[in-house]
Amino acid sequence: SQTIHQWPATLVQPVGSPLSLECTVEGTSNPNLYWYRQAAGRGLQLLFYSVGIGQISSEVPQNLSASRPQDRQFILSSKKLLLSDSGFYLCAWSVDGYTEAFFGQGTRLTVV
Amino acid sequence: QKEVEQNSGPLSVPEGAIASLNCTYSDRGSQSFFWYRQYSGKSPELIMSIYSNGDKEDGRFTAQLNKASQYVSLLIRDSQPSDSATYLCAAKARGAQKLVFGQGTRLTINP
Repeated sequence: SQTIHQWPATLVQPVGSPLSLECTVEGTSNPNLYWYRQAAGRGLQLLFYSVGIGQISSEVPQNLSASRPQDRQFILSSKKLLLSDSGFYLCAWSVDGYTEAFFGQGTRLTVV
Repeated sequence: QKEVEQNSGPLSVPEGAIASLNCTYSDRGSQSFFWYRQYSGKSPELIMSIYSNGDKEDGRFTAQLNKASQYVSLLIRDSQPSDSATYLCAAKARGAQKLVFGQGTRLTINP
């Protein structure tokens, strides 16, 4: 069966520090991968998605970047965090562009 | 105009009653529709997927899709306090690859 791992679960980082969040999927090949952010009490904002290694589509211009160095690995990064980067970051995967997506456990990021 | 819209609620329903959650979408090219449940502080979990017009039932949950009117709904029968959560509607457009979410509806089931 397929599983998705996302870490860390919580993170407190100072303003201006770098960020690296990692997500890996097991039990499937060539998944679609997604990074979402959810501000407190809000819906899910799609940040990036990827349909293959090295293929990244950015949805929202911002302080973040994403990379997919391996088929089942998706990384969210920032060189310098802003206070506004605080939120709940969720990684998700789907088999293709048609069927449902499944989420990791999320990372709660607080920038102080 | 947001691509997927939901009433943010909160929606309060007595235990044992039917909870009705609604969602509209703007992209007529949307082909796939999903309902997720999200408990406070947790990640969303999939409840239902629906791809064709009509009703789809799974236990106490029924999803309804009307592509002509561009709306999707979720009915929860015999509502339980454990159903209290935020319900997220999502849609995928043909060939778009990405999954777009509504803002979510907060549902509270009162014992």
